[in-house]
Amino acid sequence: GAVVSQHPSWVICKSGTSVKIECRSLDFQATTMFWYRQFPKQSLMLMATSNEGSKATYEQGVEKDKFLINHASLTLSTLTVTSAHPEDSSFYICSATKGLAGVYEQYFGPGTRLTVT
Amino acid sequence: AQSVTQLGSHVSVSEGALVLLRCNYSSSVPPYLFWYVQYPNQGLQLLLKYTSAATLVKGINGFEAEFKKSETSFHLTKPSAHMSDAAEYFCAVSEKGQGFSFIFGKGTRLLVKP
Repeated sequence: GAVVSQHPSWVICKSGTSVKIECRSLDFQATTMFWYRQFPKQSLMLMATSNEGSKATYEQGVEKDKFLINHASLTLSTLTVTSAHPEDSSFYICSATKGLAGVYEQYFGPGTRLTVT
Repeated sequence: AQSVTQLGSHVSVSEGALVLLRCNYSSSVPPYLFWYVQYPNQGLQLLLKYTSAATLVKGINGFEAEFKKSETSFHLTKPSAHMSDAAEYFCAVSEKGQGFSFIFGKGTRLLVKP
């Protein structure tokens, strides 16, 4: 299998506070993890790509100082939304790849619903 | 640059009818193509993938898709729709040599009528 978990599954926070979302690969080592953002009834938009032990690569238009990504181990990546505002409310989904040659599949987590009040 | 176009934001079929969800891609190199399904408030589940092997790909839950290079298409089909197939479906493309980065289509919501 290739299971990816996210924690928490949903979170409500007040405007101005920071929220950390964890993404874990449970039964494999993930060399690369991705963070996506999905607005209601819209597609997934890639926010950043992170590789274990190195700085994340952010997509154009994504504020790296606002969305802090840490990929400290081969099984854990975290996304911290700093000084959250209501417009940051969204569904955040992570995915991971095994990094094996010829395996181009991403395994997705169940998502985290963030609501900023 | 790669891109994905899913024709039809909503598709409605009767239970037992054929399901056809359309996906066209643009890629400068042979692509890898994927179909994912998403149920409300959940992550994405892989239905099937094309990675340059057989052009007709069979996936889970009775779905299949055919890679047609001449038409730059990768349409998803299922012979007989089930109520449990009602969900959002996403087509995605990844180019070899671009790491594992995906580009997703805008999604198609499948409605199944009893």
